[in-house]
Amino acid sequence: AQSVSQHNHHVILSEAASLELGCNYSYGGTVNLFWYVQYPGQHLQLLLKYFSGDPLVKGIKGFEAEFIKSKFSFNLRKPSVQWSDTAEYFCAVNAEGGSQGNLIFGKGTKLSVKP
Amino acid sequence: DAGVIQSPRHEVTEMGQEVTLRCKPISGHDYLFWYRQTMMRGLELLIYFNNNVPIDDSGMPEDRFSAKMPNASFSTLKIQPSEPRDSAVYFCASRTTLNTGELFFGEGSRLTVL
Repeated sequence: AQSVSQHNHHVILSEAASLELGCNYSYGGTVNLFWYVQYPGQHLQLLLKYFSGDPLVKGIKGFEAEFIKSKFSFNLRKPSVQWSDTAEYFCAVNAEGGSQGNLIFGKGTKLSVKP
Repeated sequence: DAGVIQSPRHEVTEMGQEVTLRCKPISGHDYLFWYRQTMMRGLELLIYFNNNVPIDDSGMPEDRFSAKMPNASFSTLKIQPSEPRDSAVYFCASRTTLNTGELFFGEGSRLTVL
């Protein structure tokens, strides 16, 4: 069965520190990849997505992610975090190429940014 | 445009009572998903519909849970009878076939069963 692994359960950083959150998936076929963010008390919102083309994807609020097919990874990065980035981040994969089926989510990584 | 609309936002009930959660997907979206989020288990897919037809309900935990989608603009998730372990945030999400799989989530319904 397809699965998504997020290696860090909780990450604590100071403002201006660089961020990298790991995400690996298990599926050998075509995938669409997503990062969602959930701010405290809110619903999930799309941060960025990859479905084809340039494997380095830029999203909102200065976030980016790189798809490395050989490593089955889609890590999320931000060069300099802000206090307002405190949230939970979910990696997700659509393992059937995008037009059908559901998203499989990782367990999430909580990011706490200290001011 | 209105997003995915869920109600109620908060529900507190006693064990054994029936709970009904409601969802209105984004107009034109032909997929609808129900997720449950807890601290222990994270985000779990319960069931999803395509064109109002249930496609995969393997995530529905027990027979106490049921979901319906009588038309393209409305879905319900019912728990009867409810138990304290059902306490969670229940999210509804929708999407179209034509996009690349992006889901649009509602604000969630926070359920507390005492």
